[in-house]
Amino acid sequence: SQKIEQNSEALNIQEGKTATLTCNYTNYSPAYLQWYRQDPGRGPVFLLLIRENEKEKRKERLKVTFDTTLKQSLFHITASQPADSATYLCALPLGVYGNKLVFGAGTILRVKS
Amino acid sequence: EAGVAQSPRYKIIEKRQSVAFWCNPISGHATLYWYQQILGQGPKLLIQFQNNGVVDDSQLPKDRFSAERLKGVDSTLKIQPAKLEDSAVYLCASSPAWFGRVTPNEQYFGPGTRLTVT
Repeated sequence: SQKIEQNSEALNIQEGKTATLTCNYTNYSPAYLQWYRQDPGRGPVFLLLIRENEKEKRKERLKVTFDTTLKQSLFHITASQPADSATYLCALPLGVYGNKLVFGAGTILRVKS
Repeated sequence: EAGVAQSPRYKIIEKRQSVAFWCNPISGHATLYWYQQILGQGPKLLIQFQNNGVVDDSQLPKDRFSAERLKGVDSTLKIQPAKLEDSAVYLCASSPAWFGRVTPNEQYFGPGTRLTVT
């Protein structure tokens, strides 16, 4: 069956360092992958989308890679700040027409000053 | 641009009672989603509407959950009767339109309704 795995343990890093979060999937061939940020008590907020034919995507301090051979996406935040502390979710399309988004459980990131 | 609105924000009910949640999507967004998010898990899609038609409700427990989107705008999600395992955050999201895997759309989420069933 299809599965999405994200780091189950929280990631604690020091301010200014680069945070790297992992999203692994099995039994999928997604056309794209999305990353969302979720703060406590709030709904997820879309951050980035990367397509299967793109190796890397950047947006300000964020960088996403997508390796369809390894079935893995890496999400990087450079020069991390305490305000980056949140849960980060990856999501992949499912369904005959790719109309359904399936989310991973998310990884909690804590950036300490 | 106003975001996705949901109400109520919190609800506490006893098991076997009924509850309803309301969602107002971003103006002009054709697609509306209801998700259930249990603590420590990612959101799980319950039902997806395209305008006022259902696109996917394969994970909706239809014996107790129902949803409607009258006139293709606002939507309500109802649980009747509630069980303890329904305790979760119910998220509503919308996106401009959906054209399948070729043109994916980002989803805009509301703040959610936290339901506690005792």
